[in-house]
Amino acid sequence: DTGVSQDPRHKITKRGQNVTFRCDPISEHNRLYWYRQTLGQGPEFLTYFQNEAQLEKSRLLSDRFSAERPKGSFSTLEIQRTEQGDSAMYLCASSYAGLVSDTQYFGPGTRLTVL
Amino acid sequence: DQQVKQNSPSLSVQEGRISILNCDYTNSMFDYFLWYKKYPAEGPTFLISISSIKDKNEDGRFTVFLNKSAKHLSLHIVPSQPGDSAVYFCAAPLPSGTYKYIFGTGTRLKVLA
Repeated sequence: DTGVSQDPRHKITKRGQNVTFRCDPISEHNRLYWYRQTLGQGPEFLTYFQNEAQLEKSRLLSDRFSAERPKGSFSTLEIQRTEQGDSAMYLCASSYAGLVSDTQYFGPGTRLTVL
Repeated sequence: DQQVKQNSPSLSVQEGRISILNCDYTNSMFDYFLWYKKYPAEGPTFLISISSIKDKNEDGRFTVFLNKSAKHLSLHIVPSQPGDSAVYFCAAPLPSGTYKYIFGTGTRLKVLA
């Protein structure tokens, strides 16, 4: 199976700790996206990469959040000094930039719980 | 401002009957729409999409209808099966070269056996 994978699937941490999530996109996809989903809401865009370049960041992405995609393949999302409000499902998606609208395919998500 | 709206948080349908899930949007510049299905503890799974140059797209039991004048789209599932029970999201990419999707809040479908 060559779908989008995310690690870990679940993370429980104490407030103030740093956490890092990893996303491995579908291998031929050059675009990678991070979204956040909270209960009762749809996924909300955080940031996206085209190859290794981070091209857009949402204002939801405070300075405690940083994302990287160093070699244009996997990506990491780090949250520093976690707060209880960071508790959410963090979703990664990837797509291939084509001539028409590209479809984003999502991974299983990382559920973060901040105590 | 919620640019993509799903006003029905839940829907129950008998197995074998039609399920109709609705989505409204406010941005007339949207030109592509997608439906995703999400099971608990999993990521959204792509179901079907439609371009604004069409008013209907069909894939097996799933059909999406687009009414541009009403800024409304709907997903029809016929016949509904218990395995279709999930949360369904409609989404649209923001126009003008950005690739982020705007999602609705979802409709939880329960198909009763």
